[in-house]
Amino acid sequence: QQQVKQSPQSLIVQKGGISIINCAYENTAFDYFPWYQQFPGKGPALLIAIRPDVSEKKEGRFTISFNKSAKQFSLHIMDSQPGDSATYFCAASKRDDKIIFGKGTRLHILP
Amino acid sequence: DAGVTQSPTHLIKTRGQQVTLRCSPKSGHDTVSWYQQALGQGPQFIFQYYEEEERQRGNFPDRFSGHQFPNYSSELNVNALLLGDSALYLCASSLVSARSTDTQYFGPGTRLTVL
Repeated sequence: QQQVKQSPQSLIVQKGGISIINCAYENTAFDYFPWYQQFPGKGPALLIAIRPDVSEKKEGRFTISFNKSAKQFSLHIMDSQPGDSATYFCAASKRDDKIIFGKGTRLHILP
Repeated sequence: DAGVTQSPTHLIKTRGQQVTLRCSPKSGHDTVSWYQQALGQGPQFIFQYYEEEERQRGNFPDRFSGHQFPNYSSELNVNALLLGDSALYLCASSLVSARSTDTQYFGPGTRLTVL
């Protein structure tokens, strides 16, 4: 049973465009939703995270939108740059519990 | 401030062998979690150690075992290696005592290849 479903699997965006990655979860007990960025040969790096008491969180060019009733959340990357090309993972967890990851989205920003 | 470190970087073993992977958590962190990341997949939780004991365990067989030392560093041991154990093994650290285990910081991983 896949608890966190992520789409699309891959995404190509022009430089300067908006990259959007979507995730859906099943367990309503989840209360922490991080996004991780992973470059080839590296471990995942925490990018931005949100808790269900807010509907949006913005950090620089990265924004998480959260819809609790739909059990969905998404990552928006504004003004996408070639350096943003990486694999992005959405994830979810309960307090003091393990992190459940989505399968990842390979993002490629065209120069 | 040193982040999470793991050793070795790469490892090649043959089926049936045993392997030990090591992790040093981020300075100030007291909890270590281990994940397995198969090629093209998201990380899968193996287990978590806090106060030198296993707190949680994912759906991995008993061939996977671990240990946490008094200095919070940790080891992951895998016995009777199978071809399917080939993956990137990630260590993540966090701080339980501050009730902030949500935020886990990952190391660069150990790439294990089983031939």
